Amino acid sequence: GAVVSQHPSWVICKSGTSVKIECRSLDFQATTMFWYRQFPKQSLMLMATSNEGSKATYEQGVEKDKFLINHASLTLSTLTVTSAHPEDSSFYICSARVPGLAVSTDTQYFGPGTRLTVL
Amino acid sequence: AQTVTQSQPEMSVQEAETVTLSCTYDTSENNYYLFWYKQPPSRQMILVIRQEAYKQQNATENRFSVNFQKAAKSFSLKISDSQLGDTAMYFCAFMKTGTYKYIFGTGTRLKVLA
Repeated sequence: GAVVSQHPSWVICKSGTSVKIECRSLDFQATTMFWYRQFPKQSLMLMATSNEGSKATYEQGVEKDKFLINHASLTLSTLTVTSAHPEDSSFYICSARVPGLAVSTDTQYFGPGTRLTVL
Repeated sequence: AQTVTQSQPEMSVQEAETVTLSCTYDTSENNYYLFWYKQPPSRQMILVIRQEAYKQQNATENRFSVNFQKAAKSFSLKISDSQLGDTAMYFCAFMKTGTYKYIFGTGTRLKVLA
C-alpha cells in the first residue's frame, strides 16, 4: 500500500525558534496533502490543505503566518511552525490523498506524525 | 457545519468477544462518506472501514462491520472476534463528497483484554 513518511518524528525546540516538518509520499504522487494537529488524548483537527504548486488553504482559526505550508513537489509538503511557543507543542500529522478512478476509490494515507515540544 | 460525536471515551472487551463502538454525526449534506480509523500506540492512523452514504448496504471488512443508519445519522462499528492487536484509539470521521477533508470525532479508546 501507499506509504507516507514524516520527518522528524520528534523534535524539541526553544521558544521563539522555527521548526520545519516534512511530509513525503514515498511511492505515489500526491497532489493534495493535509495537515492535522492532535493534542494529547484529543481528536485530530484539520489545520490546512496543501495543494502542489498553489497556496495552502487554511481552516478557520489557523494562523497562516505562524504555520507556513509549502507543497513544492508532488511528493513533498512542509509545515513550518514559526516563532514557536509552548502552546504550539502538539502532535502534527499529515495525510496524502491518492486520487481514485472514482470518488468512491479515493483514499488518504496518513503519516506517522511528528511530536513537537517547545520549551 | 458538520459534527461527529463519539459518546464512549473508553471501552474494553475480552479477547474473542464482540464489541460495538458508537458514532453519531450531524449534517445537512446528502452526499458524504463515513470512516472508522484506528490509531494504535504507534500513533499511525489506519483506515479500518469506509461507507458511502448513498449505499444502503453496510460495509464489511473481515472482522469489522458497520451499522449505518442514515436517517438516524448513526454509524457504529462492530468488531467481531476481538484480538489483542485491536487495542487502539478508534476515530469516526465524516467527509463531505468532493472536499476530501475529514472531520473526526473525539475517539473511543478500546482495550482488548486477554
